[in-house]
Amino acid sequence: DAGITQSPRYKITETGRQVTLMCHQTWSHSYMFWYRQDLGHGLRLIYYSAAADITDKGEVPDGYVVSRSKTENFPLTLESATRSQTSVYFCASSEIGTSGGPQYFGPGTRLTVT
Amino acid sequence: GQNIDQPTEMTATEGAIVQINCTYQTSGFNGLFWYQQHAGEAPTFLSYNVLDGLEEKGRFSSFLSRSKGYSYLLLKELQMKDSASYLCAVTKGSGNTPLVFGKGTRLSVIA
Repeated sequence: DAGITQSPRYKITETGRQVTLMCHQTWSHSYMFWYRQDLGHGLRLIYYSAAADITDKGEVPDGYVVSRSKTENFPLTLESATRSQTSVYFCASSEIGTSGGPQYFGPGTRLTVT
Repeated sequence: GQNIDQPTEMTATEGAIVQINCTYQTSGFNGLFWYQQHAGEAPTFLSYNVLDGLEEKGRFSSFLSRSKGYSYLLLKELQMKDSASYLCAVTKGSGNTPLVFGKGTRLSVIA
């Protein structure tokens, strides 16, 4: 019963490098989300997906790319990492979107860009 | 626009009752969630309010007033393990409309 997992849990990378954060859920939830959490800002939505091959921008999408070829996976790619992207990244999934059901969060990835 | 306000920090004594308030101003409203987040961990779902009134779930209760744009989370019989951040989040519509989170209230429970 893995639920929702993220990898890696910790990552240090250099400015300008590409890095991909993985998210995998075993519930077959339709909806998946990527958030970043920073002190003073709370949780901010980067991208979300309502189903395989359907993605949409959230509040802070610049510098990020997502894909959803399979329902269970929702990777987040930083194309050219910047120091401002140092953050804790949470992936979440939801069975019926946000109108009536809770989102379940993965354990997070702590990313440091040097 | 959208704005969700919560107090930044609160302190309460073990065994006491604490109320964490959340006010929101959003263009559209469907429901309000409360999440708990312990330091270094992921947020976990606590409650969801759509209609006005109080929803009770064990030691935790959540209240919503749609006309006032106001909600609170009530924690009774506080325990040390309740020390965490409490996040208020609003959903504005149906289907895949994203949640908007407040910045969270950090609660410290002291002996």
